Amino acid sequence: DAGVIQSPRHEVTEMGQEVTLRCKPISGHDYLFWYRQTMMRGLELLIYFNNNVPIDDSGMPEDRFSAKMPNASFSTLKIQPSEPRDSAVYFCASRSQGGGYTFGSGTRLTVV
Amino acid sequence: AQSVAQPEDQVNVAEGNPLTVKCTYSVSGNPYLFWYVQYPNRGLQFLLKYITGDNLVKGSYGFEAEFNKSQTSFHLKKPSALVSDSALYFCAVRDMGAGGFKTIFGAGTRLFVKA
Repeated sequence: DAGVIQSPRHEVTEMGQEVTLRCKPISGHDYLFWYRQTMMRGLELLIYFNNNVPIDDSGMPEDRFSAKMPNASFSTLKIQPSEPRDSAVYFCASRSQGGGYTFGSGTRLTVV
Repeated sequence: AQSVAQPEDQVNVAEGNPLTVKCTYSVSGNPYLFWYVQYPNRGLQFLLKYITGDNLVKGSYGFEAEFNKSQTSFHLKKPSALVSDSALYFCAVRDMGAGGFKTIFGAGTRLFVKA
């Protein structure tokens, strides 16, 4: 298994633009999580899915953020419009029931 | 509500010496406990977990952790540190009494191993 795959690895965009981050979880994992990591706030849970259904999106900072999981092998995190304070590393992770997480390599987002 | 604390921002240790990275937690039910390591510009990697059974859990790269229910702690240990162990370490807890869906991560402890 190639692990959790995230794309792109790096994204630089101008303020106001739409950003879409992508994630392919490990096959068979029925939970998918989106985290954001910054120096100031550490690792924050944004949203998680179980069997493709969003369970808890209370960590999503604003309405500018949205996430979808149209099928078991793909999820997106979208920011529209993006702002400089959204600059962070965004991680996708998946796990099975009772298991530990497998994290992707992350997407480093810079909004200028 | 579940929470996890890593009281040390940074731990410094000489190569060959034992290391301990501390973690305490608070949950309403039984905890699932985890340690992850993050190397620069990489995602978090799973090291070990405690769910039930023996309080001493062995994991990857020679690391182990001891679950102490009375002290609500789950400290990460290694008998002999390597320079390559230098990284950011995260403790995490999943509260099975609250449904066990979310895992909460600590703020992380940066480990520096000096040659």
